[in-house]
Amino acid sequence: QKEVEQDPGPLSVPEGAIVSLNCTYSNSAFQYFMWYRQYSRKGPELLMYTYSSGNKEDGRFTAQVDKSSKYISLFIRDSQPSDSATYLCAMSASMNSGGSNYKLTFGKGTLLTVNP
Amino acid sequence: DVKVTQSSRYLVKRTGEKVFLECVQDMDHENMFWYRQDPGLGLRLIYFSYDVKMKEKGDIPEGYSVSREKKERFSLILESASTNQTSMYLCASSRWTSTDTQYFGPGTRLTVL
Repeated sequence: QKEVEQDPGPLSVPEGAIVSLNCTYSNSAFQYFMWYRQYSRKGPELLMYTYSSGNKEDGRFTAQVDKSSKYISLFIRDSQPSDSATYLCAMSASMNSGGSNYKLTFGKGTLLTVNP
Repeated sequence: DVKVTQSSRYLVKRTGEKVFLECVQDMDHENMFWYRQDPGLGLRLIYFSYDVKMKEKGDIPEGYSVSREKKERFSLILESASTNQTSMYLCASSRWTSTDTQYFGPGTRLTVL
């Protein structure tokens, strides 16, 4: 079983739709959860960051973490054509210094297209 | 504004050539990373560095080496390029804890013929 699983899509929705993007993971040590957005021919940029379980909202974006199910989600409300991008989940374990704790484990990304 | 820059956006090299990819960050970050990104495989960590002259292997270090002589600069070296190293290479940097955002550069699209 891969450490992080993410449906690659592609996902195509009409403008204004609610979008749900998801990742599952197997490593119970993961505590820090992130969503990155990557536009075509650009590097990823951080969109949302969550520690442990719970919800976090930022404008039209909501990140949810359910550690008991090892499942994280990103919801986009009132989706816009400018949201068209690849969305990558990422996670890491302890924040202790040194070595492999600095590593992020990424999902493969979901390609989202929002049609006007 | 954090800036991570990479020396080239596009690079074409021949099999067997030695290839240098350079990355520079301007935020005094301790950590720097090299990834490659391939369709269907996602982002895979090649090497990372948490201090000057310090490096650790990532998930796919074979065929690559790195150099970090200065805090702001992290180089990826392909000693003898092969066609299976054709990929998008992304550099990132972050502050010292794993919770800090990784800031990515724009990427270098390397083609090995």
